[in-house]
Amino acid sequence: DTGVSQNPRHKITKRGQNVTFRCDPISEHNRLYWYRQTLGQGPEFLTYFQNEAQLEKSRLLSDRFSAERPKGSFSTLEIQRTEQGDSAMYLCASSPQGVGTEAFFGQGTRLTVV
Amino acid sequence: GEDVEQSLFLSVREGDSSVINCTYTDSSSTYLYWYKQEPGAGLQLLTYIFSNMDMKQDQRLTVLLNKKDKHLSLRIADTQTGDSAIYFCAGNNNNDMRFGAGTRLTVKP
Repeated sequence: DTGVSQNPRHKITKRGQNVTFRCDPISEHNRLYWYRQTLGQGPEFLTYFQNEAQLEKSRLLSDRFSAERPKGSFSTLEIQRTEQGDSAMYLCASSPQGVGTEAFFGQGTRLTVV
Repeated sequence: GEDVEQSLFLSVREGDSSVINCTYTDSSSTYLYWYKQEPGAGLQLLTYIFSNMDMKQDQRLTVLLNKKDKHLSLRIADTQTGDSAIYFCAGNNNNDMRFGAGTRLTVKP
């Protein structure tokens, strides 16, 4: 396991369709984060898991967004009824437990809603 | 993010030093980070500093923290063309990180 892996790398979908992204964190990391990055901006926090528990959600995470981490390993982020404004890079990161421990990012999934 | 501000662009000549500046508003951040992002890639952690430190050096990288002014800087010595990227400053906020909009560093040969 050499790092955080995200699939797919790119996704083009029509408005109104549902999409699901997957993140495989570094195996010994129990914290997992989802961020969204739009062009010209820094990443914005969406949600965070410690093991299988989703402990925090941003106001950016509307009802159309849902994230799971069922066994405390990989995570999925689903967007229902996609809108053009959902077009962005979705980044996943993982870290070991402990405040301030460094987070390692995956290469992201770029979503384009047409 | 509105909590972390950075200048958007910096251009230097190869071999010169680069200094990227950041100001933040959340004084409760216990760690401050610098990440590098190359085109089409995820974020790579370069270095981080604990909030009770004022300087950290790691090879060509020097981080300076002025906690009173809430100012963080990253100095890259002997900047190379491979350093061209977007650099993000971030502070931890409880369980997540707040990022600036990034500074695009261009290194000219």
